[in-house]
Amino acid sequence: DAGVTQSPTHLIKTRGQQVTLRCSPKSGHDTVSWYQQALGQGPQFIFQYYEEEERQRGNFPDRFSGHQFPNYSSELNVNALLLGDSALYLCASSLIQGDNEQFFGPGTRLTVL
Amino acid sequence: GEDVEQSLFLSVREGDSSVINCTYTDSSSTYLYWYKQEPGAGLQLLTYIFSNMDMKQDQRLTVLLNKKDKHLSLRIADTQTGDSAIYFCAAPYGGYNKLIFGAGTRLAVHP
Repeated sequence: DAGVTQSPTHLIKTRGQQVTLRCSPKSGHDTVSWYQQALGQGPQFIFQYYEEEERQRGNFPDRFSGHQFPNYSSELNVNALLLGDSALYLCASSLIQGDNEQFFGPGTRLTVL
Repeated sequence: GEDVEQSLFLSVREGDSSVINCTYTDSSSTYLYWYKQEPGAGLQLLTYIFSNMDMKQDQRLTVLLNKKDKHLSLRIADTQTGDSAIYFCAAPYGGYNKLIFGAGTRLAVHP
């Protein structure tokens, strides 16, 4: 049973560029949440997707957007990259019916130069 | 408001017990979580506790919950060098249970 997978593993971009990160949830899970973890800090909630819609959003600007596909996989898009967007981006999947136990992927390390 | 706080660093000798503490503000969910993160890796769910429980034991791990004081702790018995990592306490908030994490406690285990 594959766990949560994310791609790419690492990414280097320059300021002003746009980036797309991808996540495949654990088999059987229908909900995907995205988190940003800056160096030395705990993860911060970006948003959550269920039934292809954004259900809840954290304190992140509109430059951060996402999408969920019919197969439950998800993308995180960040436009107009800033140096401060450099971080580990974590995807977590869970089942809407249940105890909300969230399983995390290995993350995508984004470096903005 | 939504806030989870942890001490930032803990150093223990191999074989001793480690206790990592966490405090949280009101949480909307019935579960509280402990995650482990090794260098360069994602988050691994270690254990969680249902909010109507005071204690949960899982092999070397013991979780204690004091709901009155909003205090959660994780005890690792017989700590090993492989336990060296960052440990995060997480509490769900909001109707859709977004997780709010503490800053993490870095556990260093020395011989």
